Amino acid sequence: ILNVEQSPQSLHVQEGDSTNFTCSFPSSNFYALHWYRWETAKSPEALFVMTLNGDEKKKGRISATLNTKEGYSYLYIKGSQPEDSATYLCAFKNTGNQFYFGTGTSLTVIP
Amino acid sequence: DADVTQTPRNRITKTGKRIMLECSQTKGHDRMYWYRQDPGLGLRLIYYSFDVKDINKGEISDGYSVSRQAQAKFSLSLESAIPNQTALYFCATSAPGQGYNQPQHFGDGTRLSIL
Repeated sequence: ILNVEQSPQSLHVQEGDSTNFTCSFPSSNFYALHWYRWETAKSPEALFVMTLNGDEKKKGRISATLNTKEGYSYLYIKGSQPEDSATYLCAFKNTGNQFYFGTGTSLTVIP
Repeated sequence: DADVTQTPRNRITKTGKRIMLECSQTKGHDRMYWYRQDPGLGLRLIYYSFDVKDINKGEISDGYSVSRQAQAKFSLSLESAIPNQTALYFCATSAPGQGYNQPQHFGDGTRLSIL
């Protein structure tokens, strides 16, 4: 069983605060790292796909970085808004054909 | 209309029954996946298929079978349901891409309860 860990498990922030959370994965046989946003009662939606060490991706106020050598990725949200409230999932893919998901970070943005 | 449609959305059934969950997609993607989600655990892969003639076991395939009837359809069966298969099930699709750089697109999920 391959271990993908996300921290913190949950997070409450005030509207306007910036925040970040972590996805840790095995540093060997890296192939790709995905980030998904999962709102309650909806399906997970892709945010970023990252494949190269040092990758930085940005979509609006959300950005992500990747360090494949040490096995971690950070997701940043600048100026959090209530609509950012969701669970953020990362998924690691090694050189096999399967994705391994973390348990997610649940973010609540308080107005 | 949703690009990835799962039916049923909710199902309650009894131990020992045969259950089929269906997934259809209009995205034209070759790759399709079935996952289950349990509280406190990440999404875990049950089966995946890269085209109509390709079926592969995932991390937790025991107790499940699948059928890829067409490019657009991928069904998951529980031959004899047991209570620990109670979970939220997701179907997902992705386009073939270099280096697995294509994101997965998820259906809305099927909540299955086995009594």
